[in-house]
Amino acid sequence: DQQVKQNSPSLSVQEGRISILNCDYTNSMFDYFLWYKKYPAEGPTFLISISSIKDKNEDGRFTVFLNKSAKHLSLHIVPSQPGDSAVYFCAAPSGDSWGKLQFGAGTQVVVTP
Amino acid sequence: DVKVTQSSRYLVKRTGEKVFLECVQDMDHENMFWYRQDPGLGLRLIYFSYDVKMKEKGDIPEGYSVSREKKERFSLILESASTNQTSMYLCASSPIGQGGHEQYFGPGTRLTVT
Repeated sequence: DQQVKQNSPSLSVQEGRISILNCDYTNSMFDYFLWYKKYPAEGPTFLISISSIKDKNEDGRFTVFLNKSAKHLSLHIVPSQPGDSAVYFCAAPSGDSWGKLQFGAGTQVVVTP
Repeated sequence: DVKVTQSSRYLVKRTGEKVFLECVQDMDHENMFWYRQDPGLGLRLIYFSYDVKMKEKGDIPEGYSVSREKKERFSLILESASTNQTSMYLCASSPIGQGGHEQYFGPGTRLTVT
């Protein structure tokens, strides 16, 4: 049963515009969320995270918003650049002591010039 | 600079072969993980290890085994490769404790079983 869901498999956006990636979760015990970025033929790299005690975290062009009541988070990329073209995964710690993460299916972002 | 390395970037094996995928991390992390990535399915956890010689099944362990004889090395073994094991395999590591949420990934091994 997938507890972290990314329902949009792909997103196409023009360079300079905003990219909005969405992620929903089902487990209300999740208290921390991470976004990873993955280029083809490379491993995922950590992008940004947010704790459930916050509703927003910003790092340069990347901002993550958390709506706990809706069990929803989103990643905003402003402005989008061609180098942002990648697959983005949302993840949450599964809550056990082993450091496991539950990943969403990913969203492929394509930024066009 | 943190580093996770995987022994091969690309592998082609035949059905029924025994396949070894090696992963080494230089960060002295306690936790190590093996995932496979398939389109539309995200990253699915195969096995993980939280200490030397310790291992736990993930979500899809069938057809796989693992070995962790040293802290820095975590091996994934396909006992008898099958075509449905064609996938991208990713190794990751993380420390235990408060900072243990973030996992560090290797570059991946693209395995094709023919």
